Amino acid sequence: QLQLQESGPGLVKPSETLSLTCTVSGASISSSTYYWGWIRQPPGKGLEWIGNIYYGGTTYYNPSLKSRVTISVDTSKNQFSLKLKSSTAADTAVYYCARGFYSTGPKGWFAPWGQGTLVTVSS
Amino acid sequence: QSVLTQPPSASGTPGQRVTISCSGSSSNIGSNLVYWYQQLPGTAPKLLIYRNNQRPSGVPDRFSGSKSGTSASLAISGLRSEDEADYYCATWDGSLSGQVFGTGTKVTVL
Repeated sequence: QLQLQESGPGLVKPSETLSLTCTVSGASISSSTYYWGWIRQPPGKGLEWIGNIYYGGTTYYNPSLKSRVTISVDTSKNQFSLKLKSSTAADTAVYYCARGFYSTGPKGWFAPWGQGTLVTVSS
Repeated sequence: QSVLTQPPSASGTPGQRVTISCSGSSSNIGSNLVYWYQQLPGTAPKLLIYRNNQRPSGVPDRFSGSKSGTSASLAISGLRSEDEADYYCATWDGSLSGQVFGTGTKVTVL
C-alpha cells in the first residue's frame, strides 16, 4: 500500500530556505503512471497548491510562488523534495505531499496524501 | 485567493441531504474535470470524487458529484455524524497552468 511521509525542520527562520522531503513507499517514484505534488494549508485556512513534478522532470508551480519554489526528485532514495526560498511568516503552514494521477494530461487528482508536517517560519 | 468559490459552511440533521457548490470560470471548471476532497478534523485531505462524478473504492455512494458549465456540486445524502468535515473542490486552471482548490466548506451535522 502506497504511503507518503513528509520530513524536515519544523522551524525555519525568516529569509531562510524551507526544505522538505517526501519519502514514498509502496510504489516507484520513477513510474510514468503518476506525478508528485506539494500542497500547503496555513493554520485555520484552506488548501493551496504549491507545485507538481511529472515523469521526465517537468514541473508546474503555483504562479504566486514560482519565483521561490523548486521541486525535485531523487529516484535513488524514492523521494521528492520541496525548497521554498526567502521564507516569511506567511509560509507558516502544514505542508502535504501527495501522489497525482494523470487525467487528460497533467491535470489529475491527488491520492493519497501524506499526513502533513507543520512548518513555522519565525525567528 | 482562490479562483474557486464555495460557501463557507453547510449543515443538516442526520439523514438529510446536503449540497455544496463550487463556482469557477471557463478557464478552470468550464474546461476541466473536477475533484472533491474531504478533510476530517486534524487529518490530511482524502480524495472523495474524481473525474466530476467518480467515487474511489471505499467511498460510500451517499457522496455524489456533478458538474454543469462553470460550476460543480457535491451532494451528501443520508447525512451522518462522521461526515462532519471540511470539503474542497479542485480542478486545473488553464490560465494559471496549475491546480486550484476551492475555498472550502465546513459541513456540520446538527
